[in-house]
Amino acid sequence: DAKTTQPNSMESNEEEPVHLPCNHSTISGTDYIHWYRQLPSQGPEYVIHGLTSNVNNRMASLAIAEDRKSSTLILHRATLRDAAVYYCILRLTSIQGAQKLVFGQGTRLTINP
Amino acid sequence: DAGVTQSPTHLIKTRGQQVTLRCSPISGHKSVSWYQQVLGQGPQFIFQYYEKEERGRGNFPDRFSARQFPNYSSELNVNALLLGDSALYLCASSLVTGSGYTFGSGTRLTVV
Repeated sequence: DAKTTQPNSMESNEEEPVHLPCNHSTISGTDYIHWYRQLPSQGPEYVIHGLTSNVNNRMASLAIAEDRKSSTLILHRATLRDAAVYYCILRLTSIQGAQKLVFGQGTRLTINP
Repeated sequence: DAGVTQSPTHLIKTRGQQVTLRCSPISGHKSVSWYQQVLGQGPQFIFQYYEKEERGRGNFPDRFSARQFPNYSSELNVNALLLGDSALYLCASSLVTGSGYTFGSGTRLTVV
């Protein structure tokens, strides 16, 4: 399965932008890039996803490199509630049509007040 | 709207026992997937069901099985429990294949 590589941890300050990088050099043409975040004792929360073009939603922006081998999740103005483990994930689709999310180790984001 | 609900929230079982975990997807969501998350690691894919049919299976032994009912709810069964099965079991549903997934809060299974 294609894999993602993320920094183990990152730190940022409240009200500042945060750029979370992700490498996925073995991505296939049909693999979607998903980002989820997870708080302790909770299930992952969907943040954003995309295939080739940059994407924006109310939570974040996703910038995808032209060769699709890397992407960056952008939180425009971090708050203390954004502190979580952020997972960069590839959504793989099999020939049979099965879809699965392949999680990596994630980046633990700390936000300083 | 209610999110993805899972039951029970916590469970303690003895080695060799069997366990059934339940998941109710968001209303209208026809795809349900199961994931296992061991402490300190990212979730790992176990199964995907869509329209009551198994669409995919992860690298888990045959002790793991699942099914989806006509109302799209789902059960995950694990037989002959091992200590290594202790984990957070997560259920995720999606409206259509290809959209974002909504996860439940999970069932914390402890095998002693």
